[in-house]
Amino acid sequence: DAGVIQSPRHEVTEMGQEVTLRCKPISGHNSLFWYRQTMMRGLELLIYFNNNVPIDDSGMPEDRFSAKMPNASFSTLKIQPSEPRDSAVYFCATRRINEQFFGPGTRLTVL
Amino acid sequence: AQTVTQSQPEMSVQEAETVTLSCTYDTSENNYYLFWYKQPPSRQMILVIRQEAYKQQNATENRFSVNFQKAAKSFSLKISDSQLGDTAMYFCAFMKQNTGANSKLTFGKGITLSVRP
Repeated sequence: DAGVIQSPRHEVTEMGQEVTLRCKPISGHNSLFWYRQTMMRGLELLIYFNNNVPIDDSGMPEDRFSAKMPNASFSTLKIQPSEPRDSAVYFCATRRINEQFFGPGTRLTVL
Repeated sequence: AQTVTQSQPEMSVQEAETVTLSCTYDTSENNYYLFWYKQPPSRQMILVIRQEAYKQQNATENRFSVNFQKAAKSFSLKISDSQLGDTAMYFCAFMKQNTGANSKLTFGKGITLSVRP
C-alpha cells in the first residue's frame, strides 16, 4: 500500500489566490482527518470525516476554508481567498481501528 | 474535553545515552489510547508507540518504552541507546477508546529532541 497520498507536496501562491490541497486515503480506512501545523499553534485538527460525512469541522478557522470528501478515495481542502497567515504544513491522516496514519504533508506558502 | 501537556519544549541527549520525554494529560474518560509520534526533519509523522489505558503493562517497541501512570495521568517515553536518527520532534497524543465516529487525536505541543554525536 502506498500510504496516504497528498498533493501537491509544496505550494507557493500569492495572497488572494485559491488553493486546493488533495488527499487520497489508504483504501479501507473509513475516517479522514485534515490537520494544520504551524510553529505558533502546533498541530491543529481542522476537520474530520467518517464514511465520507463531515463529523466535526469546529477547527476550520473561517469561511475561507472548506473541505469535501466526495467519495471514499479522495478529499480536498480548499482555501479561498488565501492569506499569508494560512502558510503552514497541512496534513491528511486516515484511521484504521485505533491508529492514525499520516500523509507526508503539503507545505503551503502564501506570499 | 481532553488536554495533553508536554511542558519541556526541547531536550538534548548524547548518542548511546537514555532520555525520557514527559507527557501529562487530563481526561474524564476511563478507556482511551495514548500515543507517541515522531516527526523528523522530513516532517513525516511516524507512530512510535501506543498504549491502551486498560493495560497495566507498559508498552515497548525495541529501544522505545513508556512509563504509563494512569492514576497520575502521566505517559512518558523512554528512548534507550539514543541514535542520531532519533533527532526529531516528538508528540504525545490522546484518543478516546471509541469505535464510532468520534475517535480523534488530541496532540500535545511537542518536544524537540536533539541527539549529539
